[in-house]
Order: sequence, then C-alpha cells, then structure tokens
Amino acid sequence: ETGVTQSPTHLIKTRGQQVTLRCSSQSGHNTVSWYQQALGQGPQFIFQYYREEENGRGNFPPRFSGLQFPNYSSELNVNALELDDSALYLCASSPSAGSPYEQYFGPGTRLTVT
Amino acid sequence: KQEVTQIPAALSVPEGENLVLNCSFTDSAIYNLQWFRQDPGKGLTSLLLIQSSQREQTSGRLNASLDKSSGRSTLYIAASQPGDSATYLCAVYNQGGKLIFGQGTELSVKP
Repeated sequence: ETGVTQSPTHLIKTRGQQVTLRCSSQSGHNTVSWYQQALGQGPQFIFQYYREEENGRGNFPPRFSGLQFPNYSSELNVNALELDDSALYLCASSPSAGSPYEQYFGPGTRLTVT
Repeated sequence: KQEVTQIPAALSVPEGENLVLNCSFTDSAIYNLQWFRQDPGKGLTSLLLIQSSQREQTSGRLNASLDKSSGRSTLYIAASQPGDSATYLCAVYNQGGKLIFGQGTELSVKP
C-alpha cells in the first residue's frame, strides 16, 4: 500500500510568481487536507477536499486555491507569491471527511520565496 | 475558537530520563487527539492517536493520555534516548476533520 506522496520536495520561487504543489493520496482515501507550516510554528489548516469538492477552509486568502481530481489526488495553487508564503506545505489524506477519520501525512514540499 | 498550547516550548534532558510533554486545548468538544514527531526539515511522523472515547494509548516507550474535561493531554517518554531528539506536536481533531496544532515542544536528549 503506497502512502501519501508529495511533489516536488523543494521549490524556489520569486515573489509575484505562481506555484503548484501536488499530492497523491493513500489508496482508498477520498479526502485530502492541506496545511502550511512556517518555520518554528505548528501547521495551519489551509483547506480540505472531499470527493472533488472543497470541504472547509482555514484563514487563508483566495490566492490559495486547490483542486482534487477523480483519482483523489490534489493540487495546491498559490498565486502572487509573497515572502511570507515560504513554508513547508503538508498534505494529508483520510478515508473520508469528518473527525473520526485519521489523517495520514505526506513528507511535505519546502517552498522558498525570494 | 479552538487553541492548542504546548508547554514547555523547549526541553533538554540527559539520556535515560523519563519526561512528560504537555498539551492543553481550550474547547473540550474535540474528537481525536494525535501526537506527532517532526525531525528538522522533515514531515510529520504519527506517534499516537487517542480517540475521543479513550483515555490513553501506549506504543513502546511512549504513553499518551487524554482528559477532555480538563482540556489536557500528556505524552510520557520513558528512558529517553538521543534518538528521541525532535519536535513533538500535539493536534486535536475538531468537527469537520480539521486538525488544530500546537506550536510544538523541541526536545533535546543529551548523551
């Protein structure tokens, strides 16, 4: 059984650019959540996708957007990058939406904005 | 609004000591609570998940407890080793499957 995978591992972008991060969910999981972890902080919830629909969003501006595909993989898109967007981006998949279901995390994508 | 706090922010102990990491949350209406380990520059490794109906979970040298009524969880590490050095994160599952994390406790175990 393949776990949660993320690509790329590391990424360097310039302020104002756009970036797309990718996540493949664990087999049998239909829900993906995205988190942003700034240096020295705990992860912050960005949004969750359940069966290709957004299912909850944290306190992030609209330039953070996402997609979930029919195979339940997901993308996180960030437009107009700012220096403060530099962080570790984590995705997690779960068997379904809702709190009883444990989330399984991928290794993360380290984004640096210069 | 749910807030999760971890104390202490950093902890340094000699090898072999038993230690306790603390996590508190403001809203007792949580579902599960999970402890993670994070090595520098790496992702999250799940250590223990405590379901809302449970009081504790154990795995090897680790024991986590949950007291929803007081809004507290502890992670007990027995006979600490240098390889236990990492940041430990506590997270609660709120309604809707959103995870709320604390800021972590950075643990250093000295040989």
